[in-house]
Amino acid sequence: EAGVTQSPTHLIKTRGQQVTLRCSPISGHTSVYWYQQALGLGLQFLLWYDEGEERNRGNFPPRFSGRQFPNYSSELNVNALELEDSALYLCASSLSGVTATQYFGPGTRLTVL
Amino acid sequence: EDQVTQSPEALRLQEGESSSLNCSYTVSGLRGLFWYRQDPGKGPEFLFTLYSAGEEKEKERLKATLTKKESFLHITAPKPEDSATYLCAVQHFGNEKLTFGTGTRLTIIP
Repeated sequence: EAGVTQSPTHLIKTRGQQVTLRCSPISGHTSVYWYQQALGLGLQFLLWYDEGEERNRGNFPPRFSGRQFPNYSSELNVNALELEDSALYLCASSLSGVTATQYFGPGTRLTVL
Repeated sequence: EDQVTQSPEALRLQEGESSSLNCSYTVSGLRGLFWYRQDPGKGPEFLFTLYSAGEEKEKERLKATLTKKESFLHITAPKPEDSATYLCAVQHFGNEKLTFGTGTRLTIIP
């Protein structure tokens, strides 16, 4: 069974640019989560989508946004990039329901220069 | 707000030398405590979920336990391939997000 996939693997952008990251969940999973892992910091929760709706977001500015498509894949958009946005962006998916385990993809490494 | 503290930050062991990693947590209404393993530059790999105090789970050389305030990940007779960062996370009722600790970086020396 295929795991969570993310694209691209790496990205290099400059300050002020915009970026889109993509995630395909495990087949049958309807929930998608986005986390940011900056160097030296723990994973920080960004966004949660379920059945096409944004269900919750973490303490990040509005320039971090996303969406979930009818096939449950998801995009994370970051506008007006800042240097501190450099991080590993991780997508996870789960079944809907109580205590559903979140399974992570390999991540997208974003470097902002 | 949920809080997770992991200790030690880093641990070096000789191959075969057993030890434990600690995860202390503060959460209102624990739904689940999760352990993940993360290799450098990769996404976290799920290991265990624990739901209530007293629960234990095992997988190969790893055993996770849970009390009302902390969880331990015991590693028995580790091998070099067990070298990784081990992450602990909690989830509380009413919120699907995971709150992570900063991890313990484990190095097993042959």
